[in-house]
Amino acid sequence: AQKVTQAQTEISVVEKEDVTLDCVYETRDTTYYLFWYKQPPSGELVFLIRRNSFDEQNEISGRYSWNFQKSTSSFNFTITASQVVDSAVYFCALRRYNFNKFYFGSGTKLNVKP
Amino acid sequence: EADIYQTPRYLVIGTGKKITLECSQTMGHDKMYWYQQDPGMELHLIHYSYGVNSTEKGDLSSESTVSRIRTEHFPLTLESARPSHTSQYLCASSESGHLNTEAFFGQGTRLTVV
Repeated sequence: AQKVTQAQTEISVVEKEDVTLDCVYETRDTTYYLFWYKQPPSGELVFLIRRNSFDEQNEISGRYSWNFQKSTSSFNFTITASQVVDSAVYFCALRRYNFNKFYFGSGTKLNVKP
Repeated sequence: EADIYQTPRYLVIGTGKKITLECSQTMGHDKMYWYQQDPGMELHLIHYSYGVNSTEKGDLSSESTVSRIRTEHFPLTLESARPSHTSQYLCASSESGHLNTEAFFGQGTRLTVV
């Protein structure tokens, strides 16, 4: 069975602080895909990143960085120097290779205060 | 930028009314999905489609129905709306073929049944 766990329900930080959102997944597959999405108050889900299971290289995009570790089944997301505009709900998701379903975590609500 | 559109964005309707939530995408994606989400909560897959004339129920039981007569169009219908149907409904699509890509989401429809 596939499962994605985001243990942090809600996090509050002050602007310019760094924050890490945790994501732990479960799958018996050897090939799979991991994703992060951002859901601002307006409601739509915005795609942030996709990571293939055979590529453990970490990725940095501006203030965003992702740490993928297969050994611990984790795909954590760090925002450096957080800004108020980062306030949103962030979802981690898993997709099995060649399957249609996405398995979403329960989301982490990030509050960035000025 | 994703080209997937949902209408209406907001809908307030009385109990017992029939409603159809529209979802259209211009990306030529074969796979389409409907998710139900209570505010700030996790996403629940209620319907998905592999292509024209193909629909499947998702993980969360729903009284809604869907149809897929055209690739670009995946409407969701509630024959008789009830207050328990109050929620946000998110439509998504993804590419077919061997590339397991991310899902692109519409802006959602916030439904309130009074």
